[in-house]
Amino acid sequence: TQLLEQSPQFLSIQEGENLTVYCNSSSVFSSLQWYRQEPGEGPVLLVTVVTGGEVKKLKRLTFQFGDARKDSSLHITAAQPGDTGLYLCARGSSASKIIFGSGTRLSIRP
Amino acid sequence: EPEVTQTPSHQVTQMGQEVILRCVPISNHLYFYWYRQILGQKVEFLVSFYNNEISEKSEIFDDQFSVERPDGSNFTLKIRSTKLEDSAMYFCASSYFIDSNQPQHFGDGTRLSIL
Repeated sequence: TQLLEQSPQFLSIQEGENLTVYCNSSSVFSSLQWYRQEPGEGPVLLVTVVTGGEVKKLKRLTFQFGDARKDSSLHITAAQPGDTGLYLCARGSSASKIIFGSGTRLSIRP
Repeated sequence: EPEVTQTPSHQVTQMGQEVILRCVPISNHLYFYWYRQILGQKVEFLVSFYNNEISEKSEIFDDQFSVERPDGSNFTLKIRSTKLEDSAMYFCASSYFIDSNQPQHFGDGTRLSIL
């Protein structure tokens, strides 16, 4: 089974701090997606990374796909309370199925 | 922006009863999916559907589950005889293409509580 391991599971930091969360696997992926899920809502796609070493920025969020395409990281600069949520990495397992990681639950304290 | 809508937002059902969860995918999307998320656990794939047929299903999607697109807009998930362990959030998703790199758009889910 090609699992996606996310770390840390939980992270609580002060507003204004920086943070990095990780998504790792022993398998090579053709692409990897990051989603954010807020309480009572479905996952919302943030970004898809496709090329090894690729870096994508979404305002204060920076996503990186590892050179070997086995891992990815999400870095948030100057975290804000609005960044609070469950961050999920995910990959396509087949043409139709997405496999999700277990998620990092992020809490930003004002 | 078009969105996937799900009803009801919360469904409470007695064990052994049938339940139907409803979804209206984004109107020009061709591929439809159901996922579930048991409290505190991962989002898990259940089934994908295209051209009025199941494309792929997981081992969770046993004979108690069925999906249907009864008209041009709705996509439903039926659980025939619910069990306590069916309690979960159920998410519908849709996409225009079927490709592991293409985004699937998720609804806000139906919380199913089996008593």
